[in-house]
Amino acid sequence: QVQLVESGGGVVQPGRSLRLSCAASGFTFSSYAIHWVRQAPGKGLEWVAFTSYDGGDKWYADSVKGRFTVSRDNSKNTLYLQMNSLTVEDTALYYCAKSATVTTSLDSWGQGTLVTVSS
Amino acid sequence: QSVLTQPPSVSGAPGQRVTISCTGSSSNLGAAYDVHWYQQLPGTAPKLLIYINNKRPSGVPDRFSGSKSGASASLAITGLQAEDEADYYCQSYDARLRGVVFGGGTKLTVL
Repeated sequence: QVQLVESGGGVVQPGRSLRLSCAASGFTFSSYAIHWVRQAPGKGLEWVAFTSYDGGDKWYADSVKGRFTVSRDNSKNTLYLQMNSLTVEDTALYYCAKSATVTTSLDSWGQGTLVTVSS
Repeated sequence: QSVLTQPPSVSGAPGQRVTISCTGSSSNLGAAYDVHWYQQLPGTAPKLLIYINNKRPSGVPDRFSGSKSGASASLAITGLQAEDEADYYCQSYDARLRGVVFGGGTKLTVL
């Protein structure tokens, strides 16, 4: 069955960097787009970034543009989110989720990895 | 605030019917982009509930249904059960923002 497992979260100081990973299994990873979606404590869902199946298209929310970079390694069935210049507003549970394209539904989600930005 | 507008909360008694609205604009739902709905049970990841406006993934009970008209959409839940108590989110694509947008979420309480 489809499985998405996020990792790499933790506590980091403001201004520092962190890289999240999303390991996929149970489907043909190289055929699907993947999104990062985050949820701040007690808040709603916020879309963060998208990469197409081959990594050729990458889109970002305005709140992270220029600071976050999404990438994928289809040979390792893994997605990454490089997060630089972190602020306290980036504190959230980060989910990866798969979809067919940027306009289609996010049909499978991981369990999330928690990022806490605090001094 | 969120690009897609949902009521913060709705409630209903077991067995009743409730609806959750999702209002967008001319750059998302009104531009004929599909709406999708997710259910998030307490302490768990979101789960796809309705896709392409009114389609149910395998395993989702037919008590859940979706509809869309113009820049608005709604999720209906009939025969309300205690296990339906969760947060519900609508989602679409916004051409002006060039990205995915979510509603602010609606907390369903089963009385």
